[in-house]
Amino acid sequence: DTGVSQNPRHKITKRGQNVTFRCDPISEHNRLYWYRQTLGQGPEFLTYFQNEAQLEKSRLLSDRFSAERPKGSFSTLEIQRTEQGDSAMYLCASSLVGRLFFGEGSRLTVL
Amino acid sequence: GIQVEQSPPDLILQEGANSTLRCNFSDSVNNLQWFHQNPWGQLINLFYIPSGTKQNGRLSATTVATERYSLLYISSSQTTDSGVYFCAVEGSDYGNNRLAFGKGNQVVVIP
Repeated sequence: DTGVSQNPRHKITKRGQNVTFRCDPISEHNRLYWYRQTLGQGPEFLTYFQNEAQLEKSRLLSDRFSAERPKGSFSTLEIQRTEQGDSAMYLCASSLVGRLFFGEGSRLTVL
Repeated sequence: GIQVEQSPPDLILQEGANSTLRCNFSDSVNNLQWFHQNPWGQLINLFYIPSGTKQNGRLSATTVATERYSLLYISSSQTTDSGVYFCAVEGSDYGNNRLAFGKGNQVVVIP
């Protein structure tokens, strides 16, 4: 299967720890997106890459969050000094043009 | 930013029944997509439909961009259709496939 791959699928951490999520997009897709979804809500846009360039960041992405996409391939999303409010599903999506394809998500629980 | 409203929020269907889900949006759009989120959290892209009508098996969708709404039709529903259906739009002032999601339609199909 050559869909969008995310890992880890689940992460439980204590408040104040750092966590990192990885996303491997569909190989020919040049656009990569991170979204966050909390219970009962639709996904919310966090950031967008075209190739290796981070072109847009939401105001939801505080300075504790950083995302990278070295060489325009996989991407990482790091959250520093996690807070309980960071508990959510972190979704990665990729596209070439038009349709977005999502991975299975990384669920973060901050205790 | 653009507002997306979905109705009804919750729907219970008997297997075999037909249903219509509605998505209203507050501004002109470049891009509109429908997704199905299964009980495991994976978002599956159903349609990329900024305008017009498309069909995919038992599902079809229509977007009337000038009137700012889209409809998703489920015919002969099956239990596997259960889950949350999301409408997502890219406002014409955004670009980059940055999608704003509605809160979803929770659908339960009972045998």
